[in-house]
Amino acid sequence: GENVEQHPSTLSVQEGDSAVIKCTYSDSASNYFPWYKQELGKGPQLIIDIRSNVGEKKDQRIAVTLNKTAKHFSLHITETQPEDSAVYFCAASTRNNAGNMLTFGGGTRLMVKP
Amino acid sequence: KAGVTQTPRYLIKTRGQQVTLSCSPISGHRSVSWYQQTPGQGLQFLFEYFSETQRNKGNFPGRFSGRQFSNSRSEMNVSTLELGDSALYLCASSFKTGQGWTEAFFGQGTRLTVV
Repeated sequence: GENVEQHPSTLSVQEGDSAVIKCTYSDSASNYFPWYKQELGKGPQLIIDIRSNVGEKKDQRIAVTLNKTAKHFSLHITETQPEDSAVYFCAASTRNNAGNMLTFGGGTRLMVKP
Repeated sequence: KAGVTQTPRYLIKTRGQQVTLSCSPISGHRSVSWYQQTPGQGLQFLFEYFSETQRNKGNFPGRFSGRQFSNSRSEMNVSTLELGDSALYLCASSFKTGQGWTEAFFGQGTRLTVV
């Protein structure tokens, strides 16, 4: 089955700096790669996703890049703010008719220091 | 539009008991997935239901089961509870469009503590 590895497990940055989180996946059939943000006491919330036919996607301060050949994808957050502090999860899936099973990475705790 | 609703939010059970958790998906969403979240194992897929049929199952023992009703609401059951079953159980729903599936929307979870 699919295996997703995520690094680093913790990341501390100064407000205004950029943060980068990296993930690798093992199943070349995976074609959908979402990123979730989880705040304390809440369920994960999607912040951005990318499909395998796209190499990069951007939404304001957040961007995701995908390298299918190397089987890795990354989350980039620019101009970080204290409210960006949370746990971030990457995931991989084959979004076909067979189902919507997400395989998650281990998570990255991001701390943005004011 | 209401989000994914999970009940109860918190639950304390004794070893050996069984428990049933409930999930109401976003209106119109027919795919419901369940995940277990623990500090040690992270977020792990339990199973997925679509139109009352289980389509995928994760690597969990048979003590973990689920079902989906005709209105897409889903329940999961854990029998003969063990201390290691203490976790946050998350439910997610999604909807199929002409272009494929939407993102998975998560509920706030049910925090199960087994003592």
